[in-house]
Amino acid sequence: DIQLTQSPSFLSASVGDRVTISCRASQGISSYLAWYQQEPGKAPKLLIYSASTLQSGVPSRFSGSGSGTEFTLTISSLQPEDFATYYCQQVNLYPLTFGGGTKVEIK
Amino acid sequence: EVQLVESGGGLVQPGGSLRLSCAASGFSLSNYAMTWVRQAPGKGLEWVAVITAGSGDWTHYADSVKGRFTISRDNSKDTLYLQMNSLRVEDTAVFYCAKGYCSGGRCHYMDVWGKGTTVTVSS
Repeated sequence: DIQLTQSPSFLSASVGDRVTISCRASQGISSYLAWYQQEPGKAPKLLIYSASTLQSGVPSRFSGSGSGTEFTLTISSLQPEDFATYYCQQVNLYPLTFGGGTKVEIK
Repeated sequence: EVQLVESGGGLVQPGGSLRLSCAASGFSLSNYAMTWVRQAPGKGLEWVAVITAGSGDWTHYADSVKGRFTISRDNSKDTLYLQMNSLRVEDTAVFYCAKGYCSGGRCHYMDVWGKGTTVTVSS
């Protein structure tokens, strides 16, 4: 199975900060990676697919990059509504695994 | 409006069975891969099972549920199911269904999610 390791697992940041979250795959997955945002008590929301394509309706302050085994989610200027948990997921091979999550909290 | 609504969750004893349903509206279920994802209390997301689009109905499962859970769908009712047998305490979770989205030859990105249904396995 492909393991996805996210780092950090927790980060504290202020409104306006630039935030970067890493996702490392245990083997190459080309660009078959998605990022999801989950607010407490809510269902996840697709932010980015194919590693770097922004889902329709998602603000442009979110961006994704990477391929192979190293991926990054960047929030260019953190907004109050961005405080949530973020997950990466690979869709290259079954089973389709998620990373452990990164919780972004207000400093 | 494209929408998914899960139902069928509840309290069940270890070793018991439960069938979850996911009713789709605003799109035809048969045209999309559909996935179940679960989240144990205070934990992260865990992919559970997927059924591919079209008439082939290929299915794939997480090792943790293989042989105990079965994903299926009734296209005439636009409803997805998850039959869960031999339930364990560690299956306690919120279960979400999600609609697949295709890009670059992969159709398992999930662009529409239901609100989830809670399964509690306890004696």
